[in-house]
Amino acid sequence: AQSVSQHNHHVILSEAASLELGCNYSYGGTVNLFWYVQYPGQHLQLLLKYFSGDPLVKGIKGFEAEFIKSKFSFNLRKPSVQWSDTAEYFCAVIRGGGADGLTFGKGTHLIIQP
Amino acid sequence: NAGVMQNPRHLVRRRGQEARLRCSPVKGHSHVYWYRQLPEEGLKFMVYLQKENIIDESGMPKERFSAEFPKEGPSILRIQQVVRGDSAAYFCASSPAYREETQYFGPGTRLLVL
Repeated sequence: AQSVSQHNHHVILSEAASLELGCNYSYGGTVNLFWYVQYPGQHLQLLLKYFSGDPLVKGIKGFEAEFIKSKFSFNLRKPSVQWSDTAEYFCAVIRGGGADGLTFGKGTHLIIQP
Repeated sequence: NAGVMQNPRHLVRRRGQEARLRCSPVKGHSHVYWYRQLPEEGLKFMVYLQKENIIDESGMPKERFSAEFPKEGPSILRIQQVVRGDSAAYFCASSPAYREETQYFGPGTRLLVL
């Protein structure tokens, strides 16, 4: 069975710091990759996604992620975080040709200190 | 456009009672997914439905849990004879046409079993 690992469960940064959240998945076949964000009191929202093409994808609010197939990774980055980025971040994978749903990592709780 | 709607947002049940969770997908979406999130865990896939069909229920417990997505009306996740371990957040998502597309999530139903 496929799995998704997010390396950091809790991250605390100061405003304007750079962010990188790690995500690795275990499935060797075709995958679509997603990062979702859950702001306090709100539901999951899509940050960005990778289906094919350029492995560097840009999402909303200045976030980007790079798909490195050889490393089975899809790390999320932002050059300069803001207080409003405080949220829970989830990496998710769906395998091509299957019939099941998304496989999620356990999430990273990001706290930005003003 | 209205997003995915779920109700109730909070549900309290005593052990042995039944819980019914409802999900209305984004208008025009024909694919519905249910996920469960336990405390300190990521979301876990439960079941994938299209109108009047269960496509994959590999993540659903074999007993007490059932799901449907009728031709008319919302999708229903039904938990019979609830136990304390069923306490969790249950999220519904929908996608437009095929499984690998972006899934849009509802706000979730928080189930508490006393």
